[in-house]
Amino acid sequence: DAKTTQPTSMDCAEGRAANLPCNHSTISGNEYVYWYRQIHSQGPQYIIHGLKNNETNEMASLIITEDRKSSTLILPHATLRDTAVYYCIVRVAYLGKAAGNKLTFGGGTRVLVKP
Amino acid sequence: SQTIHQWPATLVQPVGSPLSLECTVEGTSNPNLYWYRQAAGRGLQLLFYSVGIGQISSEVPQNLSASRPQDRQFILSSKKLLLSDSGFYLCAWGQLPSTDTQYFGPGTRLTVL
Repeated sequence: DAKTTQPTSMDCAEGRAANLPCNHSTISGNEYVYWYRQIHSQGPQYIIHGLKNNETNEMASLIITEDRKSSTLILPHATLRDTAVYYCIVRVAYLGKAAGNKLTFGGGTRVLVKP
Repeated sequence: SQTIHQWPATLVQPVGSPLSLECTVEGTSNPNLYWYRQAAGRGLQLLFYSVGIGQISSEVPQNLSASRPQDRQFILSSKKLLLSDSGFYLCAWGQLPSTDTQYFGPGTRLTVL
């Protein structure tokens, strides 16, 4: 699976949009970009994933560049409850149940939403 | 809806003692199950995964073992704990092929003294 690079930490003002970058310059054509977040002392939570088109759900938007070498997770209106470590993961799509479909977590970006 | 349970929530054990952590999933069948560990200040490390009853794959060599005696039950064990086994243990499940994502439990915080 391709490796990702994320900033170690970033601050965001409450109510403003939070834009979290992720570089994945070695991504392959069959690899998806996944985003998870981990609030302190909790298990990670799935946010969103995409292949090449931009995606949006109730939690966030995912913008993938045309060359797919980088992406941005956008939290449109950050709240204090969005303070967490955000993980960008690149992984081959569904390989079949027997392959395990494992996730490899890196260091992530520690996001602090300030009032 | 699906839910995942882990217990105990916290555990303090002496070095050399045995360990048994349990994870159960409700509301789904034939899930993939995963055990992760997160040492203090570190990232998540995949320890084991299982694609079916009795089928266990190990990702890293260690003194831990895993078992899946029932479809929705995943157990993490050790015969003799080490100090380095301290950490936050997370169980997760994935339902394929309907979804390619993983859903995590609340975790067990283990301290080995």
